[in-house]
Amino acid sequence: GAVVSQHPSWVICKSGTSVKIECRSLDFQATTMFWYRQFPKQSLMLMATSNEGSKATYEQGVEKDKFLINHASLTLSTLTVTSAHPEDSSFYICSAPSQGRYNEQFFGPGTRLTVL
Amino acid sequence: GENVEQHPSTLSVQEGDSAVIKCTYSDSASNYFPWYKQELGKRPQLIIDIRSNVGEKKDQRIAVTLNKTAKHFSLHITETQPEDSAVYFCAASSGTNAGKSTFGDGTTLTVKP
Repeated sequence: GAVVSQHPSWVICKSGTSVKIECRSLDFQATTMFWYRQFPKQSLMLMATSNEGSKATYEQGVEKDKFLINHASLTLSTLTVTSAHPEDSSFYICSAPSQGRYNEQFFGPGTRLTVL
Repeated sequence: GENVEQHPSTLSVQEGDSAVIKCTYSDSASNYFPWYKQELGKRPQLIIDIRSNVGEKKDQRIAVTLNKTAKHFSLHITETQPEDSAVYFCAASSGTNAGKSTFGDGTTLTVKP
């Protein structure tokens, strides 16, 4: 089956630093990937759509200069949280769609970010 | 854009009883409706999905129904077990935008032994 990995699985950083999260499709190519943020006891909120070879599309209210997305290859998308602050602490999850009409999503295991 | 509403937000049942979670969506172009189970700190796990060309789908104790006219779909779990306790999310997507999905707010299901 389709497998999506994320790295790191958890990270703790100081306020003001930048953190990079990687999302990889291991056994299939993904021209599109999605990045979600999930706060405790809340739903998954789509942050942006990552497009291979072009700019990401951000959802309303998501700062593109703060959450930098790079989709440099057909199997890798990265999310960089720049100048992280405690309010950025969250669970970040990526997904990649299957091919075909219905686009089942394959989720990465998530990255727990804690900003001190 | 798409808007998905999910009810109830919490649901507590006795082991062996049935549980029903309902979702409504707004975009008539949506054609794929997955249900996910998420345990604390883990990724959402697809448990069943339904496509717009069918009205019902069943997989052992889990079933999903879809009413396209009314724009609602439901998850039914029968003979619930304590290990069914988790947060359940519905979602809706269309065939465009690589399946960009909109999620419901989630239902915390507790199955009491």
